Amino acid sequence: QLQLQESGSGLVKPSQTLSLTCDVSGGSISSGGYSWSWIRQPPGKGLEWTGYIYQSGTTYYDPSFKTRVTISVDRSKNQFSLKLTSVTAADTAVYYCARLVGSYMDYWGPGILVTVSS
Amino acid sequence: QSALTQPASVSGSPGQSITISCAGTSSDVGTYNLVSWYQQHPGKAPKLMIYEVSKRPSGVSNRFSGSKSGNTASLTISGLQAEDEADYYCCSYAGRVFGGGTKLTVL
Repeated sequence: QLQLQESGSGLVKPSQTLSLTCDVSGGSISSGGYSWSWIRQPPGKGLEWTGYIYQSGTTYYDPSFKTRVTISVDRSKNQFSLKLTSVTAADTAVYYCARLVGSYMDYWGPGILVTVSS
Repeated sequence: QSALTQPASVSGSPGQSITISCAGTSSDVGTYNLVSWYQQHPGKAPKLMIYEVSKRPSGVSNRFSGSKSGNTASLTISGLQAEDEADYYCCSYAGRVFGGGTKLTVL
């Protein structure tokens, strides 16, 4: 059974960089041709697609993040990562990692709350 | 890209059927059968319920079904049960966008 687990700092100061990692267990991140995605959910609000990375390494980022976001894969550690620069309070959210199978996400991590505050 | 449009809330009594709509555009929902639905209980991660408009993952109850007409996709839950009370989100891969979510209340 595939499992995903987010980790990283739960508190980030404004203007700094948010860094999260998603550890994948129960399967190889390099097999199956899957893509790997980050989704976030501000408190009391809906889901927002941050972006994803294809098996090839090509990335897609939601235009609302412009050049602030980077998603990468570390195959040696079986994990993928999210970096979001110049954060503001609007970036406070629960961040989820998920496996993207074609057009849908079948496995999700439990989520990690990241608060942006001084 | 614009978010898909869902009703903020729907409700139904146990045993009844309800339908949640998800309105997109001809550029996403209307052209591509790439709509998925997710169920989210409070404090929990979303769970895939329907993919590619009408396909049900293994382990998901057959009380859940999906369909599409024109630019609008729909999720129908039949035989409502108390545990169905949750938030539901549609997602269009073509538009890389989620709906705003619908809160289902089981009366």
